[in-house]
Amino acid sequence: AQSVTQLDSQVPVFEEAPVELRCNYSSSVSVYLFWYVQYPNQGLQLLLKYLSGSTLVKGINGFEAEFNKSQTSFHLRKPSVHISDTAEYFCAVANQGGKLIFGQGTELSVKP
Amino acid sequence: NAGVMQNPRHLVRRRGQEARLRCSPMKGHSHVYWYRQLPEEGLKFMVYLQKENIIDESGMPKERFSAEFPKEGPSILRIQQVVRGDSAAYFCASSQDSSDIQYFGAGTRLSVL
Repeated sequence: AQSVTQLDSQVPVFEEAPVELRCNYSSSVSVYLFWYVQYPNQGLQLLLKYLSGSTLVKGINGFEAEFNKSQTSFHLRKPSVHISDTAEYFCAVANQGGKLIFGQGTELSVKP
Repeated sequence: NAGVMQNPRHLVRRRGQEARLRCSPMKGHSHVYWYRQLPEEGLKFMVYLQKENIIDESGMPKERFSAEFPKEGPSILRIQQVVRGDSAAYFCASSQDSSDIQYFGAGTRLSVL
């Protein structure tokens, strides 16, 4: 069975500081990996995805993530955060069967 | 180019009533997924449908919940005899095929009084 663990439930950070949101997954088959962002009272917006190819994936809003197969990780990074990045971030895994398995979410709080 | 449309955005029901949640996928998408987000929890998969077919319902509660995606019209998630524990945000996503990116709607927030 597949599972996703987001190691931090809350990450407070000051504006313009770098941030890393951690995600580990377990799966016995090849997977696709995703990061979604959810702003308050809104749906989920895709930040970036890893399907195959280069292990460093660049997404929207200056975010990037690196797929590490040996460590089964897909950590999300941004070198300098803005107040507007305050939101909840979800890591997810899927196989070709379609359904997404989500982590518990990480609440990123950017302070001035 | 409309995205995934869900309605209503907010739904209030009393215990024992029925809730009907609607989802219109993006144009050209024939795959629909329903997820539930309980308070303080992540999203949990409920059901995956294609037109007129249920592909995977492994996440659906055994009783009171049903889903359909008819040939014409939106996908419907139906909850009969709602209980307080059904209060949650219900999200719909759609994709072109099972290996494609899923695009999410804004969700329906169900409150059971």
